[in-house]
Amino acid sequence: AQSVTQPDIHITVSEGASLELRCNYSYGATPYLFWYVQSPGQGLQLLLKYFSGDTLVQGIKGFEAEFKRSQSSFNLRKPSVHWSDAAEYFCAVGGLKAAGNKLTFGGGTRVLVKP
Amino acid sequence: GAVVSQHPSRVICKSGTSVKIECRSLDFQATTMFWYRQFPKQSLMLMATSNEGSKATYEQGVEKDKFLINHASLTLSTLTVTSAHPEDSSFYICSAKLAGDFGEQFFGPGTRLTVL
Repeated sequence: AQSVTQPDIHITVSEGASLELRCNYSYGATPYLFWYVQSPGQGLQLLLKYFSGDTLVQGIKGFEAEFKRSQSSFNLRKPSVHWSDAAEYFCAVGGLKAAGNKLTFGGGTRVLVKP
Repeated sequence: GAVVSQHPSRVICKSGTSVKIECRSLDFQATTMFWYRQFPKQSLMLMATSNEGSKATYEQGVEKDKFLINHASLTLSTLTVTSAHPEDSSFYICSAKLAGDFGEQFFGPGTRLTVL
């Protein structure tokens, strides 16, 4: 069975500081991995995804994530956080047709940005 | 990018009534849509997979007679919460999948259901 763990429920970061959100997954095959952001009143927006190839993935809004198979991790990073980055972030795994294209989400990490 | 809408965005109803939530893919055809439920400060839990022209596939523990799903066209799926009770109050989110073996899912903005 596939599962995703986001160890940090909340993270508070100062504006301009760097941000790293942790994600660990369990998956029986090569995983498809995703990071989504959810702002209040809005749907989930895809930040980036990893299917194969280069393990460092660039996404929108200045985010990047690194896939580390040995650690079963897919951590999200941003070098300099903006106040507008305050939101809930979800890591997800899955999406293969063989598994019904289902996504399994982590519990989410709420990011608060201090001025 | 692909846009998915949900209607209504917010609904309040009395206990015992039924509520229908619509999910539409606005600029693409989606043979598969998904319905999720999100409790406050929690993650998304998949409720069911909705396939156009066929019966929905429900996740374990989800009552199919309680949550009726209809996917009548390639751009519309509906979720009807029948005989709603306060414990059904939640945030319901749909997503629509692009065609292909792996098709990216695009998410709707969600519907906040409050049952009094």
